[in-house]
Amino acid sequence: DTEVTQTPKHLVMGMTNKKSLKCEQHMGHRAMYWYKQKAKKPPELMFVYSYEKLSINESVPSRFSPECPNSSLLNLHLHALQPEDSALYLCASSQETGYTEAFFGQGTRLTVV
Amino acid sequence: QKEVEQDPGPLSVPEGAIVSLNCTYSNSAFQYFMWYRQYSRKGPELLMYTYSSGNKEDGRFTAQVDKSSKYISLFIRDSQPSDSATYLCAMMDTGRRALTFGSGTRLQVQP
Repeated sequence: DTEVTQTPKHLVMGMTNKKSLKCEQHMGHRAMYWYKQKAKKPPELMFVYSYEKLSINESVPSRFSPECPNSSLLNLHLHALQPEDSALYLCASSQETGYTEAFFGQGTRLTVV
Repeated sequence: QKEVEQDPGPLSVPEGAIVSLNCTYSNSAFQYFMWYRQYSRKGPELLMYTYSSGNKEDGRFTAQVDKSSKYISLFIRDSQPSDSATYLCAMMDTGRRALTFGSGTRLQVQP
């Protein structure tokens, strides 16, 4: 099973809302990632968790708050977002950081209105 | 200058053609090189990865890395309409331990 599951698939939220994106993998991977992808652009790294600890934060605004409650789950908490934050949010996992085989979920398409 | 450069296309070829997709890079620390395929509105799917210079073949796909030229390629033989997607190259340096992506090339295989 090489599946990374993301929920929800689509999300529309207002600028004053608080919502969360969820990501789950059961491959025993110890590295998990959040990427943001705008239309016709490559994925941009946001956060990296290694063994449930945040190891990379790519200067992401504080309105995005990641959380790794256990080795299988990764959340991204959202609040006070702006319309320009609308994008496809991708979760990925790999056996450890630096591993070449990173598996991506299908993404959550977020629209901020 | 971007760390990884990739022609965005679109690249349109007839079914059965050999497709060549390429990326150049500037960071000498990149050691691992990957190709992902991404269908519209889906997450990227890992196709192949190679370490350092050389070739790797998997079915209709061949990946080549030339570190001396900082140039990588993906060849697709006997291309099919189902190969129509965006192809992203990605690279990793062992220090940063996270992927850097090219901008992606959109491929259209015409039946």
